[in-house]
Amino acid sequence: AQRVTQPEKLLSVFKGAPVELKCNYSYSGSPELFWYVQYSRQRLQLLLRHISRESIKGFTADLNKGETSFHLKKPFAQEEDSAMYYCALMIPGTYKYIFGTGTRLKVLA
Amino acid sequence: KAGVTQTPRYLIKTRGQQVTLSCSPISGHRSVSWYQQTPGQGLQFLFEYFSETQRNKGNFPGRFSGRQFSNSRSEMNVSTLELGDSALYLCASSPSGTGNRFGDEQFFGPGTRLTVL
Repeated sequence: AQRVTQPEKLLSVFKGAPVELKCNYSYSGSPELFWYVQYSRQRLQLLLRHISRESIKGFTADLNKGETSFHLKKPFAQEEDSAMYYCALMIPGTYKYIFGTGTRLKVLA
Repeated sequence: KAGVTQTPRYLIKTRGQQVTLSCSPISGHRSVSWYQQTPGQGLQFLFEYFSETQRNKGNFPGRFSGRQFSNSRSEMNVSTLELGDSALYLCASSPSGTGNRFGDEQFFGPGTRLTVL
């Protein structure tokens, strides 16, 4: 079965330190992968998707098909990055999203 | 454009009752998906509708059902409520849902918090 695993429930880093939020998926084909973010008291929203290969708010994510990973990275964390981050997989043509259980990122001053 | 709206925002029910939740997508969006969010399980996919047709569903019992109207508004119904159904129910809409990769971003509503006593 398709699955998305985010091994860390909570990740605490100091401001200015690098951040890496891990995401591994299980799917044998070519998935669509996304990172969604939920800031405090805000709605869940798209942060970035692998197909567009863009950097949003300094975050990047690279799809590694060999390791079936899609880790989210940022070189220098900021306090406003504190939020809940969800990795999501969509199998093309199924219109079904599979979300990981999320990682709470806390950036300490 | 107005965002996705969900009503009601909070609901308290007792075991055995049924409940109906409503979702109005962003104007022009035709795909609506529903999720159950709990602290331990994260977001779990319930079902997705497009043009009044359910195209996919998750692994939930038949007590969970949904429908979509011609104006793309959607409702989900949970019958014979159980304590374990207490959760935040999220609705998300997408522009086209046709598989166009750039149309597949999901726009989420604020959720309906259901508490089953």
